[in-house]
Amino acid sequence: GIQVEQSPPDLILQEGANSTLRCNFSDSVNNLQWFHQNPWGQLINLFYIPSGTKQNGRLSATTVATERYSLLYISSSQTTDSGVYFCAGGYNYGQNFVFGPGTRLSVLP
Amino acid sequence: DGGITQSPKYLFRKEGQNVTLSCEQNLNHDAMYWYRQDPGQGLRLIYYSQIVNDFQKGDIAEGYSVSREKKESFPLTVTSAQKNPTAFYLCASSSTGTGGPTDTQYFGPGTRLTVL
Repeated sequence: GIQVEQSPPDLILQEGANSTLRCNFSDSVNNLQWFHQNPWGQLINLFYIPSGTKQNGRLSATTVATERYSLLYISSSQTTDSGVYFCAGGYNYGQNFVFGPGTRLSVLP
Repeated sequence: DGGITQSPKYLFRKEGQNVTLSCEQNLNHDAMYWYRQDPGQGLRLIYYSQIVNDFQKGDIAEGYSVSREKKESFPLTVTSAQKNPTAFYLCASSSTGTGGPTDTQYFGPGTRLTVL
């Protein structure tokens, strides 16, 4: 099955700093999403991005499908950005849709 | 408000007991999913369902059972056969389960299960 790697595993930033999170896939995917899990456990979908670039406020994501990786950019970070960022991908859903181990982000005031 | 609800938020179970976790959605989604999350780990799929009265095993289905009698409801039973059930359980839904751009997953708030 598909393997998903994320880097870095942990990231500590001062408020206002920018960051880049990376997700690598072992195989091609047609369904790739980024999620944020807040400190209380709630997951929220950030982007559906199997290819190309999208932006939503201070967050943007780019997927280079031919090289099997995706990047999540966070600009001007805020303390509310803290939590764990997961990428997940595969073919459609079910057993073919795999979550990575996550990047834990801590934004300090 | 449209969304996914899970209950209870915290659940304690004695060894040898079966427990059932509730998941309800009012988003009119066809597909529903159960995931398990262990501390510091990603999510692993337990079961998923794309339509009423049909469901498929995920990667870690052993020791778990589900039913899908109604579109809105997808309860998960953790049986005594599950050897290490202490974990955070997340329920999700999506429109069709086919993975397209309008088929993103929405998650419930989760249930933390502890076996005593």
